Amino acid sequence: GAVVSQHPSWVICKSGTSVKIECRSLDFQATTMFWYRQFPKQSLMLMATSNEGSKATYEQGVEKDKFLINHASLTLSTLTVTSAHPEDSSFYICSVPLGSQETQYFGPGTRLLVL
Amino acid sequence: GENVEQHPSTLSVQEGDSAVIKCTYSDSASNYFPWYKQELGKRPQLIIDIRSNVGEKKDQRIAVTLNKTAKHFSLHITETQPEDSAVYFCAASKEGAQKLVFGQGTRLTINP
Repeated sequence: GAVVSQHPSWVICKSGTSVKIECRSLDFQATTMFWYRQFPKQSLMLMATSNEGSKATYEQGVEKDKFLINHASLTLSTLTVTSAHPEDSSFYICSVPLGSQETQYFGPGTRLLVL
Repeated sequence: GENVEQHPSTLSVQEGDSAVIKCTYSDSASNYFPWYKQELGKRPQLIIDIRSNVGEKKDQRIAVTLNKTAKHFSLHITETQPEDSAVYFCAASKEGAQKLVFGQGTRLTINP
């Protein structure tokens, strides 16, 4: 069964609003989670590394003030897209490494459409 | 940083034939190489992975080979079936870093 859940699965919002996406690890704890973005017919691009109890690490070119990440517990990380614009429309997916291994499991993704 | 190149971008094979997808990486410190299968609108699913201390790994119809010297690794699918149709992504990461760098993806179509 799935080891990572994500909510919501899809969201439509107006330009300028903020959207929060949750990523939960099921049945295991994760000090690290990853957030990816995937545009249609493209690959997965890492946005940031979410670290439990500390600040997230953002990849080059990703605005930390626009994509707020909070990893408040060992099973939950949230990504908030602030002041969303149509160009933020994408498929957002989180992944969680299983223990100290590199093996990562992905959430089902959240499809965001900003009108 | 790491850069992963994947080829081909699209691949069409007859059902029952084999399919091969190749990836190269740039960072010699990378030592973990997973392959993911992604169906339309779904999450990527891990199908096989290999670590740098191994040259080949097989799981039923799927195999992965790794050439550390040349810094490339390949996915081999034998006896392809229509349900193998999907987008396949290779990735690479370094021990301890965990974050994955993905290839561009290969859209595999199996023709009945």
